[in-house]
Amino acid sequence: EPEVTQTPSHQVTQMGQEVILRCVPISNHLYFYWYRQILGQKVEFLVSFYNNEISEKSEIFDDQFSVERPDGSNFTLKIRSTKLEDSAMYFCASSPALRTRGQTQYFGPGTRLLVL
Amino acid sequence: SQQGEEDPQALSIQEGENATMNCSYKTSINNLQWYRQNSGRGLVHLILIRSNEREKHSGRLRVTLDTSKKSSSLLITASRAADTASYFCATVEQWGGGNKLTFGTGTQLKVEL
Repeated sequence: EPEVTQTPSHQVTQMGQEVILRCVPISNHLYFYWYRQILGQKVEFLVSFYNNEISEKSEIFDDQFSVERPDGSNFTLKIRSTKLEDSAMYFCASSPALRTRGQTQYFGPGTRLLVL
Repeated sequence: SQQGEEDPQALSIQEGENATMNCSYKTSINNLQWYRQNSGRGLVHLILIRSNEREKHSGRLRVTLDTSKKSSSLLITASRAADTASYFCATVEQWGGGNKLTFGTGTQLKVEL
């Protein structure tokens, strides 16, 4: 069964550094998402991406964050200048067209980001 | 309370027993979904119930939805040690660009042998 994959599984970075988290959504899916989960807290929505543009973003997703789908398969989340509070597990998700089974989001295994 | 709060926060049962988790939410929803998360791992979709449905079954899972009370429950029957995980409800507010999931705080289920 197709899966969402994410790389790296773990990333340690210094405060102020840029990080790029990578995701390969399920092929033929049309909607792409990033969520994050700070240790011990809820999973929080960051951003959704459809038709090559951001369709919605949360308050967390400020100017330090950006997303890109550079080719037909990858979906990336960039944090320009990391802060200590960006330490979290970041999940990528994708879903197919809404009119089919599109209401289910399929999550990747996550990237654990630690900012020192 | 916040959107998607689960109750109880933690539940410990013996293998073979049933586990019931509840979720309350505040806004109007298109559908409600339940996810499972093993410790430190990704989220696995379990079941989706639409706002016009009252009950849904999938294997050992039974989900109910009461939109008048803005609540849902997840029942796992004949639990197994492998069911040990955190369970989250997530509500969906659909708009043209996709489905933003709003997750609850989760119930940590421990099934002991």
